[in-house]
Amino acid sequence: EDQVTQSPEALRLQEGESSSLNCSYTVSGLRGLFWYRQDPGKGPEFLFTLYSAGEEKEKERLKATLTKKESFLHITAPKPEDSATYLCAVQAGDAGKSTFGDGTTLTVKP
Amino acid sequence: EAQVTQNPRYLITVTGKKLTVTCSQNMNHEYMSWYRQDPGLGLRQIYYSMNVEVTDKGDVPEGYKVSRKEKRNFPLILESPSPNQTSLYFCASSLLQGHGYTFGSGTRLTVV
Repeated sequence: EDQVTQSPEALRLQEGESSSLNCSYTVSGLRGLFWYRQDPGKGPEFLFTLYSAGEEKEKERLKATLTKKESFLHITAPKPEDSATYLCAVQAGDAGKSTFGDGTTLTVKP
Repeated sequence: EAQVTQNPRYLITVTGKKLTVTCSQNMNHEYMSWYRQDPGLGLRQIYYSMNVEVTDKGDVPEGYKVSRKEKRNFPLILESPSPNQTSLYFCASSLLQGHGYTFGSGTRLTVV
């Protein structure tokens, strides 16, 4: 059974204080690892897809990296508008079947 | 605008009264999926579809039905809703296998 574990559950940062979110996964035959951002009361918003170990993707203050066992979402000099829940998901085996982690809720204080 | 549209956004219903939540996407995506989101349990996949007339169970399919008669539509049917199906539901679609999903805005369902 595919498993995705995100840590920490919650993270509070001061504006400008860089940090990383972790996503550990156990799957057989990874087809893709995905990062999403979810704001309260809204649907998740797609951020990145990573396909193989060593791959990196960047978007503004966010950078996602992938190893064979985990992925990190690095947030550089965060701003209050980066406050959200960040979800990690994996797609493996059966096409279309995805497993999500429980998310990390990030709060950035001005 | 490229989007996934769910209706209704909010629904309160009674136990046993059949209901359908509609989902439509305008991006010509192959894959569509339904999720439910519950506090402490995260997003769990109910059903997914890889193409027209091709559907398969996710992790929590009991009590739900789906159909994919057209590429753009993927309705979720609750034949006899029960209170444990009270949840926030999301429909999502993706272009191909291995691509990220575009999610709808969600349907908050309450079964009393």
